[in-house]
Amino acid sequence: EPEVTQTPSHQVTQMGQEVILRCVPISNHLYFYWYRQILGQKVEFLVSFYNNEISEKSEIFDDQFSVERPDGSNFTLKIRSTKLEDSAMYFCASSESVSTGELFFGEGSRLTVL
Amino acid sequence: QKEVEQDPGPLSVPEGAIVSLNCTYSNSAFQYFMWYRQYSRKGPELLMYTYSSGNKEDGRFTAQVDKSSKYISLFIRDSQPSDSATYLCVPREGYQKVTFGTGTKLQVIP
Repeated sequence: EPEVTQTPSHQVTQMGQEVILRCVPISNHLYFYWYRQILGQKVEFLVSFYNNEISEKSEIFDDQFSVERPDGSNFTLKIRSTKLEDSAMYFCASSESVSTGELFFGEGSRLTVL
Repeated sequence: QKEVEQDPGPLSVPEGAIVSLNCTYSNSAFQYFMWYRQYSRKGPELLMYTYSSGNKEDGRFTAQVDKSSKYISLFIRDSQPSDSATYLCVPREGYQKVTFGTGTKLQVIP
């Protein structure tokens, strides 16, 4: 069964460092998303991406965040200068259609900022 | 009033019990109703999807939508320890981004 894969599964970084989280969405999907979940809290929407551009972003997704689809398969989330409060699980998701709301999530990348 | 309200639980039931998880919403424009399930430290996964009012059954799971009262339910028959997870109801309009609340944490005790 096709799945969304994310790397790394866990990354530890120092405050102020740049981090890139990588995702390989399901191959025939056209819509891509990043969500994050701080420990013990709800899953929060960060950004959606379609046709090589951001279609929507939340207020969390400020200038330190960026997304890119550098080739036909990868979808990346870059955090430019990490802060302690960026420590969270980051989930990538993809969908075939935006109308159904059926998102397929990856296993997540746990980011720990020290 | 919050747009979507769901009892956060935790809800503890013995194995084999029938579980009822409920949600209310305020936006009458919602047409798509989904239940996602999230296991601890995993991403959410879509469990059930219904459009407009009515019932939908899938194995031990039944989703019910009553648009007139803005009430959504998920029933789990013969609950199993493997059903222990957080259940998230997600009503939405078409083309709206998927957003999650805190969900209801369910624990099925063997």
